[in-house]
Amino acid sequence: AQKITQTQPGMFVQEKEAVTLDCTYDTSDPSYGLFWYKQPSSGEMIFLIYQGSYDQQNATEGRYSLNFQKARKSANLVISASQLGDSAMYFCAMREGGRTDKLIFGTGTRLQVFP
Amino acid sequence: NAGVTQTPKFQVLKTGQSMTLQCAQDMNHNSMYWYRQDPGMGLRLIYYSASEGTTDKGEVPNGYNVSRLNKREFSLRLESAAPSQTSVYFCASSTRDLGYTFGSGTRLTVV
Repeated sequence: AQKITQTQPGMFVQEKEAVTLDCTYDTSDPSYGLFWYKQPSSGEMIFLIYQGSYDQQNATEGRYSLNFQKARKSANLVISASQLGDSAMYFCAMREGGRTDKLIFGTGTRLQVFP
Repeated sequence: NAGVTQTPKFQVLKTGQSMTLQCAQDMNHNSMYWYRQDPGMGLRLIYYSASEGTTDKGEVPNGYNVSRLNKREFSLRLESAAPSQTSVYFCASSTRDLGYTFGSGTRLTVV
């Protein structure tokens, strides 16, 4: 069963506007972590933001924030004040608790920022 | 610079050839991973190693073998390459407290 779902294959946003990238997850483990990564056209994986399942507050890192709704099992990424350099693929990923730290990815959302 | 180093960056193989993708990290991480990335599929876990001397299958292990040579190195071997293994391969390492670090990727084409 797919554990991470990103339903938006592509998104467009105008420069300086905010955009929300959706991510839902499925796990029965009470301890888990949620990650967002950015992959520009150059191909490297860039860590953006992390949310732990026990964290009380939504994570924020600069222009990135994670809208964590635990009961709905969603972890949407919000990018405020979009910039042209934000154009990239964005991946949501989850690490479950337990003895291993393996990270499972969603299929990604391609964001394009236009002037 | 500290990080994850993958070699080679590009490789073209003929069907049936074998090769080993190398990965090394210098951050003293216990866990290491191999992923493949295909268009529309995201990153899928091939194999992982939670510690030196242990390896486990991920989502798509068929056609691959791995070796955790020591704490630093985790190699991925294709014994008989197939066109379906054309992909971009990423190695990563992690520690629970500090997260994951990815290599720059290997673009493999099997013809």
